[in-house]
Amino acid sequence: GNSVTQMEGPVTLSEEAFLTINCTYTATGYPSLFWYVQYPGEGLQLLLKATKADDKGSNKGFEATYRKETTSFHLEKGSVQVSDSAVYFCALSRDNNDMRFGAGTRLTVKP
Amino acid sequence: DTAVSQTPKYLVTQMGNDKSIKCEQNLGHDTMYWYKQDSKKFLKIMFSYNNKELIINETVPNRFSPKSPDKAHLNLHINSLELGDSAVYFCASSPWGDTRGYTFGSGTRLTVV
Repeated sequence: GNSVTQMEGPVTLSEEAFLTINCTYTATGYPSLFWYVQYPGEGLQLLLKATKADDKGSNKGFEATYRKETTSFHLEKGSVQVSDSAVYFCALSRDNNDMRFGAGTRLTVKP
Repeated sequence: DTAVSQTPKYLVTQMGNDKSIKCEQNLGHDTMYWYKQDSKKFLKIMFSYNNKELIINETVPNRFSPKSPDKAHLNLHINSLELGDSAVYFCASSPWGDTRGYTFGSGTRLTVV
């Protein structure tokens, strides 16, 4: 079945450090790929998405590129801030009616 | 102007009780979902409804029963609550077949004591 695997956390970085959170997927066909962010005590918010191979999703300084050859969608940010501290979820959906999430990666950014 | 609203936000109840969680969306979406998030933050889909029709019904105890009176509402009723039901339950919505992702509610933290 369709699934995503993302790197286990927690990840702790200093402010202005470079962030990478790895995500790989298994799916039949061509799924859409997503990153969601969950701040403490809140629901998930869509951070960025890509719907086909080689697409790059970007938002708030975060980027991820849909790599079909490596079945990956790694999340990157060049300079993290304390306010980026949250749990990040990679997800995929074949038709947007069955979204499957990774296990989540907790990021803590220290001043 | 909350897009997806869930009530209550917190629910503490004793084992064996029956409880309901309500979800409403004002986005005009026709598909709604329930997810369960455990203490390790793992998210598991439970149900999805499209225009009041059940689409996804994952392996969930039949003590859980979703009800969709119209496409803007999807409620979750839980009978005979057990300790293992303690979790955060999230409602979400989306247009059917749209690739823009889901909109989530802020969650209901259920604690069974």
